[in-house]
Amino acid sequence: NAGVTQTPKFRILKIGQSMTLQCTQDMNHNYMYWYRQDPGMGLKLIYYSVGAGITDKGEVPNGYNVSRSTTEDFPLRLELAAPSQTSVYFCASSYIPNSPSGYTFGSGTRLTVV
Amino acid sequence: GQQLNQSPQSMFIQEGEDVSMNCTSSSIFNTWLWYKQEPGEGPVLLIALYKAGELTSNGRLTAQFGITRKDSFLNISASIPSDVGIYFCAGNSGGGADGLTFGKGTHLIIQP
Repeated sequence: NAGVTQTPKFRILKIGQSMTLQCTQDMNHNYMYWYRQDPGMGLKLIYYSVGAGITDKGEVPNGYNVSRSTTEDFPLRLELAAPSQTSVYFCASSYIPNSPSGYTFGSGTRLTVV
Repeated sequence: GQQLNQSPQSMFIQEGEDVSMNCTSSSIFNTWLWYKQEPGEGPVLLIALYKAGELTSNGRLTAQFGITRKDSFLNISASIPSDVGIYFCAGNSGGGADGLTFGKGTHLIIQP
């Protein structure tokens, strides 16, 4: 039972490069989320999806794009990496929005933009 | 947007002491959750609260959903070394589909 799997775990990007952070879950959850975590700042919502084919912006969507072609996968795309995007990125999923079991989080991707 | 104020920012305590942390929001929340995060891992749910006034325990942890629906607290009794980590409150004021708002975290450090 893998839960939420994120790849890669670490990545260093140069300014202007692009990359995709992968997220996949095997729990058949409809709801998926991308958060970024900056030191001392908690987690901020980037994008979320309520099901395949449906995505919406969160609190800090600028500089990112997402897609949700399947229930299992919710990749996050950075097109032109900037130093301000240096952060730890977490993907999460839940079966229903206010699930008693909360969100299941992946173990994160630590991204550094230099 | 919604704001969550979590305090204290950090706590240095002796093993065996009780711990208390709290969160307040600028708006009414329908859901309060408490998560714990250990280094290199994502947050893990500790306690979920869905009703004003609700008091819920999970082992040595107790959390309450404030009557005003704008606050919540988490208590840890008789702390042990494995309680070390960052504790986050989180909540949602709507139906929940648009994601949770997180506090900035309380970093708990335990001295043996």
